[in-house]
Amino acid sequence: LAKTTQPISMDSYEGQEVNITCSHNNIATNDYITWYQQFPSQGPRFIIQGYKTKVTNEVASLFIPADRKSSTLSLPRVSLSDTAVYYCLVGEGRLTGGGNKLTFGTGTQLKVEL
Amino acid sequence: DTAVSQTPKYLVTQMGNDKSIKCEQNLGHDTMYWYKQDSKKFLKIMFSYNNKELIINETVPNRFSPKSPDKAHLNLHINSLELGDSAVYFCASSQDTGGRGYTFGSGTRLTVV
Repeated sequence: LAKTTQPISMDSYEGQEVNITCSHNNIATNDYITWYQQFPSQGPRFIIQGYKTKVTNEVASLFIPADRKSSTLSLPRVSLSDTAVYYCLVGEGRLTGGGNKLTFGTGTQLKVEL
Repeated sequence: DTAVSQTPKYLVTQMGNDKSIKCEQNLGHDTMYWYKQDSKKFLKIMFSYNNKELIINETVPNRFSPKSPDKAHLNLHINSLELGDSAVYFCASSQDTGGRGYTFGSGTRLTVV
């Protein structure tokens, strides 16, 4: 399983763009990169997933360089409500027979202030 | 409508007791999971079921026994509870087994005293 490394914490202010980088040096060919967000007392929530280059949705953008050994989650114009833990995961996009040993790392605690 | 619901939300019990946590998903997903989040916020997979069949069983003590009566339900029974079992247990489901679109429940905070 590809191990991921993220900063433990980040601080930002409302309205700023936040970029959280995740390292996954031993990512496998079949692995996708997925980011989840977790608020206190809630389960993680899927944010975005990508394989290579750039993916954008209504919440965030995900930048993946050609070597795929890292990825950057970009949150545009954060607000107080974006204060949460952000997890980067790598794992196979699709398996037959079901089941996937996705491993959550330590996550990055993002704190957004006024 | 809650997509993945777990009950109870909080569970306080004494060492040595047996307890169960129930999970139901109404998303029509084929795969369900149990994760454990410890006090350091590490999320570790415990079990995975696909269409009622056990797919993943991590190195979890056999005091933990998952049961899936149908693909919409995955319950977790814990025998002889220990202090170290105190954690938040999350149920999750997915249709695409690659982790894309995992839907998690809100968690069950288990405290063993």
